[in-house]
Amino acid sequence: DIQMTQSPSSLSASVGDRVTITCQASQDISNYLNWYQQKPGKAPKLLIYDASNLETGVPSRFSGSGSGTDFTFTISSLQPEDIATYYCQQYDNLPSTFGPGTKVDIK
Amino acid sequence: EVQLVESGGGLVQPGRSLRLSCAASGFTFDDYAMHWVRQAPGKGLEWVSGISWNSGSIGYADSVKGRFTISRDNAKNSLYLQMNSLRAEDTALYYCAKDLGIAVAGTYGYWGQGTLVTVSS
Repeated sequence: DIQMTQSPSSLSASVGDRVTITCQASQDISNYLNWYQQKPGKAPKLLIYDASNLETGVPSRFSGSGSGTDFTFTISSLQPEDIATYYCQQYDNLPSTFGPGTKVDIK
Repeated sequence: EVQLVESGGGLVQPGRSLRLSCAASGFTFDDYAMHWVRQAPGKGLEWVSGISWNSGSIGYADSVKGRFTISRDNAKNSLYLQMNSLRAEDTALYYCAKDLGIAVAGTYGYWGQGTLVTVSS
């Protein structure tokens, strides 16, 4: 199975800050990488698919980049409503696997 | 509006069975692959199983292979998960998720609110 790692596991930032999360795959997954947001008590929501494509309706402050084994997720200007846990997910091979998540808080 | 409504969860003893259902609406069900993804209390996300649009391709996580069976009824716009030989480690919130496409390995574009399965004596 392909292992996904994320860093940091948690972070605290101020409103308006730029936030960056990294995700690393244990082998080359091309661009078969998605990012999800999960707010407390809610179902996950797709934000970015195929590494860099913004899902319809998702604010443009969210972005993704990378290919191969190293990926980055960025919130350009953190907002209070962005408090959530963010997960990366690879779908290059079954089983699809998720990273352990990054919990984002407001300082 | 896309809606996915899971049902069938509950408290069950180890070794027993449970069948989850997911009722879909607001989209053409047989145009998309569907998945079950679970989340143990306080933990991360784990893909459980997926099924292609026509049931021709199916996949399972190693942790459930041989115990769980995914199926779908396109005429009823419904997805199912038959869970047998349940273990304590199967305790989780089970989400039904709609893929963006027709293939099993894919992207979960929409999620239901989940149904809770608790395996305990």
